[in-house]
Formats: sequence, C-alpha cells, structure tokens
Amino acid sequence: RKEVEQDPGPFNVPEGATVAFNCTYSNSASQSFFWYRQDCRKEPKLLMSVYSSGNEDGRFTAQLNRASQYISLLIRDSKLSDSATYLCVVNMNYGGATNKLIFGTGTLLAVQP
Amino acid sequence: DTAVSQTPKYLVTQMGNDKSIKCEQNLGHDTMYWYKQDSKKFLKIMFSYNNKELIINETVPNRFSPKSPDKAHLNLHINSLELGDSAVYFCASSHRMSGGADTQYFGPGTRLTVL
Repeated sequence: RKEVEQDPGPFNVPEGATVAFNCTYSNSASQSFFWYRQDCRKEPKLLMSVYSSGNEDGRFTAQLNRASQYISLLIRDSKLSDSATYLCVVNMNYGGATNKLIFGTGTLLAVQP
Repeated sequence: DTAVSQTPKYLVTQMGNDKSIKCEQNLGHDTMYWYKQDSKKFLKIMFSYNNKELIINETVPNRFSPKSPDKAHLNLHINSLELGDSAVYFCASSHRMSGGADTQYFGPGTRLTVL
C-alpha cells in the first residue's frame, strides 16, 4: 500500500464549480499534513497546511480526519487559474529527529471555461 | 530575488557520463533536500542535509553523491548516468530539520534527460 494515496484524476470541471479531492495516508504516526500545488513543468508550492480542526483560506478548505487517516481539499467557485496538480503531503517521523515529507502522486484539476 | 535556485535548468547527456546539478538557497534555511520526480510525476525524497550534515539518505544508488559545502548550497553529482535517471530533480529548503513542520521551498527543477 502506498504511504499517501490520491485519485490521480483528471478532474474536469466548469468554472464556478465546487470540487473536492481526497487523500488517505497509511502511517498513523504522521504529524503534519499539507496540500501543495504544482503547475505544469513547475515546482511544487505550498497551498495550505491542514489542521485537525479544519481550516479555510479563501475559496480553499482543508479537512483532516486522523481516525480515518483521511485528508480532503475543497475548492469553491473554481477559476481557470486553479488548473494544476494538487499534491497531498504528509510529514512522517522515522525516529529521532528524522522527519520527511511523503508526497502523493497528485490529483490533476482542469477547470474549463 | 530567487529563493531557491538550481543550475542547470535542462541537462541532456549520454549514458555513462558524469554530471552535477547545483542548488543554492538565500533564505537562511538550515535544511536542504534533493527530490526526484519521475515520468509518472511521483515526487520522492532522495537526500536531506541539515547544516551540512547528511540526515536522510533514501535507498538511492551510490552513483548519486550529494555535497554540501555550506548550509546555503547542496549539490548533486551523478556518476555513470543511466536511462532510468531521466527525471526532474528538485532541490528544496526549509527552516528547520523538522522538515514537514516548516514549509519547504522548492527550486525550479532540473530536467535531466539521459540518451
């Protein structure tokens, strides 16, 4: 089983639509959770951290369910500029001070005019 | 100002050659990383350094040798290049060794093609 699993998509949605991405992770000891965004042929950039209580940043809402080991990202009122790959990212601790980010394979979003 | 920079941006070379990729960050971060993103877009960590000390070494072939002359630089040297080494290599940095607890900032990537 992959450490972080995402539906690769693509999700093709019209402008203005609401779209949700889901992600599951395998290591219950994971400590921190993130959504990164990667545009075509560009580097990944942090979109938002994900907190247990859920958090919102404008049109973006992230949720974490530790019991189910499940993370979600909701995008409301999709814009053309939201088209990108969304990477679910989990921080794993491997003992002592060794932490590392584990990336999902990403979900491709294409917003259509 | 570019926060994390890599050179070269593109690298095309023949099998068996040796090549290096350079990375520099001007963010004052303590920790730097190398990631490989393969053709299926899967991004996987290769190495991390904290204050010039190797912390993470994933099961990467020993043809790959990172070098950190100071905490602002982390270079990657690859010996005897193979076809399977073709990928995009990203350098990243973060403030503390806690890695994911602090945002990682990525460089623009080096697209390596081995012929």
